[in-house]
Amino acid sequence: ETGVTQTPRHLVMGMTNKKSLKCEQHLGHNAMYWYKQSAKKPLELMFVYSLEERVENNSVPSRFSPECPNSSHLFLHLHTLQPEDSALYLCASSQQAGSSYEQYFGPGTRLTVT
Amino acid sequence: AQSVTQLDSQVPVFEEAPVELRCNYSSSVSVYLFWYVQYPNQGLQLLLKYLSGSTLVKGINGFEAEFNKSQTSFHLRKPSVHISDTAEYFCAVSSQVRSNDYKLSFGAGTTVTVRA
Repeated sequence: ETGVTQTPRHLVMGMTNKKSLKCEQHLGHNAMYWYKQSAKKPLELMFVYSLEERVENNSVPSRFSPECPNSSHLFLHLHTLQPEDSALYLCASSQQAGSSYEQYFGPGTRLTVT
Repeated sequence: AQSVTQLDSQVPVFEEAPVELRCNYSSSVSVYLFWYVQYPNQGLQLLLKYLSGSTLVKGINGFEAEFNKSQTSFHLRKPSVHISDTAEYFCAVSSQVRSNDYKLSFGAGTTVTVRA
């Protein structure tokens, strides 16, 4: 595997379910990010981790819970979601956390909440 | 805080024709500027970036962009497009000033459809 991988690629869940999204980066980077991409809206930054420490939580509801066990893996735990949470969730990584560093994106997980 | 406006939501263009995608930003501080491309069913990929120096930036796949500070613009151009350039293009901006500012602010995207 190369670059940034995300699993699953597609996920359908009910509002009472609990599920997790997984992201893995194979680039030796120190920073990882979660974004939400909704149709015709700008990407929304959700969380930023630098060296496994959360450095940004962009006013995300508590039904989204991130976890970064090491610098290569990032999870997004989901519970009691709402239909408006349906979107493409993108993971990204960069060499360091900082505004000048290029971010490398995974293919995303298409989430549908029913 | 920074914000980005992509002035065209959709741009249809014929193969081998030139294309320009317009991006304007607003910020009270100096910025870094980026263009990303998203092909169908894929994540975003960096096309080019402006950090400092020459205002004309060349990127991958024949794309280039020009930073215009007075007009707060960073328009993307390609002189001759291919069918494979069909994708969504995102302009993004981040702050130069705060070293711990991780936020990359994206525009809403421009969908480019190249027709034969």
